[in-house]
Amino acid sequence: DARVTQTPRDKVTEMGQEVTMRCQPILGHNTVFWYRQTMMQGLELLAYFRNRAPLDDSGMPKDRFSAEMPDATLATLKIQPSEPRDSAVYFCASGRDANYGYTFGSGTRLTVV
Amino acid sequence: AQSVTQPDIHITVSEGASLELRCNYSYGATPYLFWYVQSPGQGLQLLLKYFSGDTLVQGIKGFEAEFKRSQSSFNLRKPSVHWSDAAEYFCAVGARGGSYIPTFGRGTSLIVHP
Repeated sequence: DARVTQTPRDKVTEMGQEVTMRCQPILGHNTVFWYRQTMMQGLELLAYFRNRAPLDDSGMPKDRFSAEMPDATLATLKIQPSEPRDSAVYFCASGRDANYGYTFGSGTRLTVV
Repeated sequence: AQSVTQPDIHITVSEGASLELRCNYSYGATPYLFWYVQSPGQGLQLLLKYFSGDTLVQGIKGFEAEFKRSQSSFNLRKPSVHWSDAAEYFCAVGARGGSYIPTFGRGTSLIVHP
C-alpha cells in the first residue's frame, strides 16, 4: 500500500529552537494538508497545498510557522522559534483531485520543553 | 463555514454488539462526508466517504454510514463489533466547490469490552 511518510516520528526540543517536520506525499497526489492534533483543540488545519501552491494557511500562526513544498515529493512544516504550546502531533495528508479521501501519515509527535 | 459535531466523547460496547456513532454536520449545501479511524499512535485511516448518490455508504472493516439530509447526520454503524475496533473515530465534512478541505469533529473514543 502507498503511504505518506513523515519524519521524524518523535521530536523533543527546547523552547526557542527551530523544528522542521517533513512529509513525503504519495506519488501522484497533488494535494497536501498539514493538521495539528491536540487534546484541547482536536484536529486543526494548518496549511493546504495543491500542485505545490499554498492555497490556505489561515490556520497557521504566521509569525513562527511556515509551510513549503520545495518539490512534489516533499512538504515541510517549520516552527521557529518553538514554544511549549506547540507541543502536539502534526499530521500530513495527501490525495488526488479525483479522490477526496485523504491518506494520512503516522504523524510527528513534537514536545517542546 | 462548515462544522461537525460528534455528541459522544466515549462509547462503550461489548464485543459482538452493534455499534452506532453519531455525527451531525452544519453546511449550507450538500457536503462531502467522511469517517476516519485512528488507532493509538497512528495516523487517520479512511473508513468511508459520501459524495452523492446512494445515501447508504459501505466502507472497510464492515462499517457503513447513512447520510440523512433532513437530520444533517452521517452516523456510522457496524452490526457486530470486534475488540480490534477499539479506536478513536472522526467524522469530517468537506465543502463542495473546489476547496473541500475536511473539517473534523472532536472524535468519539470506542471502548470494546470482551
